Formats: sequence, structure tokens, C-alpha cells
Amino acid sequence: GAGVSQTPSNKVTEKGKYVELRCDPISGHTALYWYRQSLGQGPEFLIYFQGTGAADDSGLPNDRFFAVRPEGSVSTLKIQRTERGDSAVYLCASSTGQGASEAFFGQGTRLTVV
Amino acid sequence: TQLLEQSPQFLSIQEGENLTVYCNSSSVFSSLQWYRQEPGEGPVLLVTVVTGGEVKKLKRLTFQFGDARKDSSLHITAAQPGDTGLYLCAGATGFQKLVFGTGTRLLVSP
Repeated sequence: GAGVSQTPSNKVTEKGKYVELRCDPISGHTALYWYRQSLGQGPEFLIYFQGTGAADDSGLPNDRFFAVRPEGSVSTLKIQRTERGDSAVYLCASSTGQGASEAFFGQGTRLTVV
Repeated sequence: TQLLEQSPQFLSIQEGENLTVYCNSSSVFSSLQWYRQEPGEGPVLLVTVVTGGEVKKLKRLTFQFGDARKDSSLHITAAQPGDTGLYLCAGATGFQKLVFGTGTRLLVSP
């Protein structure tokens, strides 16, 4: 596709359930980022992939959060045993990963845990 | 931990006024980017600055990167209602990890 695509756009889940959020980056982009954003705040870094490997996962808040990118393209952010505090917009971005390259963002997935 | 503090957090001004947004850190970044985000959308890149002391102009917007590559500013001249949005700075490390600032919400009233 022409841009970064995230699905679903909205997800409502019950506390304790498992959720998966999907990101389709721009074709050919090797770098992929996941961020979490609360209302009116800047995006909070979660994890960064360069190709298939997680180059930096220092932003994942705890072991309930996990992300994969098995073929170096599509990525899935997985959240186990969701809590109400996990409610936020989850943003995905991709870039060429070269130099000061621009990061292109998707529209995000709004996760609401009830 | 790399932190980017933006100030002010919120700014409400009248059309035609000038404003400056600041982005400060104790960390050195290889580059710094400014993004603008509208409700329901992802951030969109405005500019990237790479060299300490660099100044870039984009129409009525002027961006400056500090000499030590730790801070940056965004100046808007003669603000317009279309400038309303959330402005975010983001610093990149050598491995391209982008760390975002706390954000400045700008409201320009007609």
C-alpha cells in the first residue's frame, strides 16, 4: 500500500483478555516502530525493529507486551492479560532506516480495555 | 533514559500572533525532527535538522537546532487557524530510535 496501515482502527476488549494489533509498513522500509500515545501526550516509545530483529525493546512496559516481525515486513504487537491502564492509541511507524530518515506513521489503533 | 521536554505544553493565541515552542534535552541527538499531529491521525513530519546550529525555514515556520544538538525551537510567524494541532519534537539516536517530546498543543483562534 501507499502508507502505513494499522488494523483494527478501534479495539474494545475486556480486562484480562489477549489482543493483537497489526501493522503493515511501507513496502521496502526496514525500520519499524511501535509507540503508545495517551490523549494530548507525545508518543511513548515501545519497540523498534530493524528487519526481523528487535533492535531496541526497552520501551515495552512489562512482560505482558510482546511484538514480532517474522518476515521483516508486517509486525504484530501482542498484549496479554490486558489491564485498563493499557488503554491508549497504539501507533506504528516505518522508515528506510538510513540516516535521518523520515518516519511515516499509521493512523493508529485505539485500544480500550473495559 | 532520553527525555525531551517541550514547553509550553499548551498555547492558545489569536490569529496573526507569533509563537515559539521549545524542545530541550540533556541528551545529544544525531538528528531532531518536528512533527505535527491532528486528532485521529498519526504525526506528520515537518522538518529534520541534523547539524548543530542549523536553521531551516518552511514558509512561516522556522526551526533551529541547538549548537550542542540537545535542544531545538520552532517559531511560527503570523499564526493561522490552520496551524492548530499537536506539535511534537523527536530526537534520533545513532540507531534511528526516535524518542518523542511531551508535545505542545497549539490552538489558534480566528
